[in-house]
Amino acid sequence: GAVVSQHPSRVICKSGTSVKIECRSLDFQATTMFWYRQFPKQSLMLMATSNEGSKATYEQGVEKDKFLINHASLTLSTLTVTSAHPEDSSFYICSARVETRGSRSPLHFGNGTRLTVT
Amino acid sequence: DAKTTQPTSMDCAEGRAANLPCNHSTISGNEYVYWYRQIHSQGPQYIIHGLKNNETNEMASLIITEDRKSSTLILPHATLRDTAVYYCIVRGDSSYKLIFGSGTRLLVRP
Repeated sequence: GAVVSQHPSRVICKSGTSVKIECRSLDFQATTMFWYRQFPKQSLMLMATSNEGSKATYEQGVEKDKFLINHASLTLSTLTVTSAHPEDSSFYICSARVETRGSRSPLHFGNGTRLTVT
Repeated sequence: DAKTTQPTSMDCAEGRAANLPCNHSTISGNEYVYWYRQIHSQGPQYIIHGLKNNETNEMASLIITEDRKSSTLILPHATLRDTAVYYCIVRGDSSYKLIFGSGTRLLVRP
């Protein structure tokens, strides 16, 4: 159990367009999901916390108007990169935890989405 | 959440135990130690977590020192597929989010 699925796994888009990435918890519900970004040869950087039914919480330095997060249901969070530019090219990863297993239950991660902006 | 320190890289021979250390000298009483690994171009994979007692599961063992200032992840019989970046993360009750450090790049040699 505890599978987190992301779609798409890879996407190439032109500069100036918007891209939506989906994150689904397949066999559990999650009121909170987390979005990370990872540049080549670097560690994961937390971007924001997605909250079901309310606004996302963004980490310092992350532009909320550029990275739109919607958590419309207990199993789906989406990240939209608006007006993408080449510097937004990165590996985007989401995660969630099985909240019914207690506060110590670990986060489970999706397999990531590699975004390339040309 | 407490900061962790890990060696940048390590290697071990296939079939041998891989012992990955982590220093978390500022850990507080209610913070757990979590270990994840990331194989190239994949999302992180949860391995194990613990508070103060040693833990073991089908993937690995976690040994936490009595003062909780350091821990060691043990892969008992490393295989080539265990080549990955291993992250040791300390997390408290205040937030469920995980803050990743640089991790240890483990290379398992044939």
